[in-house]
Amino acid sequence: DQQVKQNSPSLSVQEGRISILNCDYTNSMFDYFLWYKKYPAEGPTFLISISSIKDKNEDGRFTVFLNKSAKHLSLHIVPSQPGDSAVYFCAASGYGGSQGNLIFGKGTKLSVKP
Amino acid sequence: NAGVTQTPKFRILKIGQSMTLQCTQDMNHNYMYWYRQDPGMGLKLIYYSVGAGITDKGEVPNGYNVSRSTTEDFPLRLELAAPSQTSVYFCASSTSTYEQFFGPGTRLTVL
Repeated sequence: DQQVKQNSPSLSVQEGRISILNCDYTNSMFDYFLWYKKYPAEGPTFLISISSIKDKNEDGRFTVFLNKSAKHLSLHIVPSQPGDSAVYFCAASGYGGSQGNLIFGKGTKLSVKP
Repeated sequence: NAGVTQTPKFRILKIGQSMTLQCTQDMNHNYMYWYRQDPGMGLKLIYYSVGAGITDKGEVPNGYNVSRSTTEDFPLRLELAAPSQTSVYFCASSTSTYEQFFGPGTRLTVL
């Protein structure tokens, strides 16, 4: 049973427009959420995170929104750039008491077209 | 500062062979992790370590072993390789429980 779900395998957006990537989770014990970005043949790199005590965190063009009642988070990229084309993974932590264990979604492949 | 390095980058094994995937970090991080990523799937935790001499199982530990004799190194051992272990393996490290720094990965094929 997937605890972190990214239901859209892919997303295509025009350069300059907003990209919205979605993530749902099932476990209310999760207390910290992260987004990672992955280019082909590279390891994932940390992008942005949010604690469950907040509902929004912003870093430059990237904003993560958390809706705890809906167990839903989203990553907004504004404006989208071709270099943002990558696979984006949502991850959650806090379940089971095992420090550092991240539960990852399957990822969403974002394509930003010039 | 090289971050997290992994060797080899690619490897083909025959069924039943064994090998060790190397992982080294130079950031003095206490926490280290091994993940595998199958095609179209997210990363799944194999083993992790909270410090030298301490290791614990993750979600998918069967068929693997680890050791952590130093802060820097966290090798992953595959014994009796099976086709189901064909995957991309990522090592990661962190200072906190959350933000993890990943290596470039090892692509392993078992035939």
